[in-house]
Amino acid sequence: SAVISQKPSRDICQRGTSLTIQCQVDSQVTMMFWYRQQPGQSLTLIATANQGSEATYESGFVIDKFPISRPNLTFSTLTVSNMSPEDSSIYLCSAARDRDSGTQYFGPGTRLLVL
Amino acid sequence: SQQGEEDPQALSIQEGENATMNCSYKTSINNLQWYRQNSGRGLVHLILIRSNEREKHSGRLRVTLDTSKKSSSLLITASRAADTASYFCAPAGGGADGLTFGKGTHLIIQP
Repeated sequence: SAVISQKPSRDICQRGTSLTIQCQVDSQVTMMFWYRQQPGQSLTLIATANQGSEATYESGFVIDKFPISRPNLTFSTLTVSNMSPEDSSIYLCSAARDRDSGTQYFGPGTRLLVL
Repeated sequence: SQQGEEDPQALSIQEGENATMNCSYKTSINNLQWYRQNSGRGLVHLILIRSNEREKHSGRLRVTLDTSKKSSSLLITASRAADTASYFCAPAGGGADGLTFGKGTHLIIQP
């Protein structure tokens, strides 16, 4: 398995500002992902964080709004830019150690409220 | 990856009873995974069953997979209050793609 931590665990932000969320894995992993969970909803994949190259975004998510970095095999950041109240969600990162099985281990999430 | 559909959407049982939830999917898979989420926290990986397996056990969990019917079931035996959570299935085609989650089954264990 993999132990994943996220910072911050929660935040309250003003409209128009940006927040960067950090995700740290306790060991090297093959893949890292970012998900969003809007209130009362299931998880939606935002993007795959690729080490050393640009992230791969899912339909409906763009780099200008959600820039992602992955400088090494244990760390990634997600920035939520120019926030609006609609961005209020839980943001979760996950990691897959094994490319074959695809089993993912999730961080505890970052609870974001935008006023 | 494809989205699984969990059924029922909500399930309420008495502590000590068994809980069964089902997952259906549409296209062939490499494996299927079950996850649990407590109160909006991160997901916890419960069990993975491969397409060539029919049944798998882990503690109080029993998972079955019927690839001909494109369905899976998760059985939790001797339920406890701590089992109260949302449960999600994730059919996967293999590789290392991100997962697609359905609405899940919200399980409530009543004391």
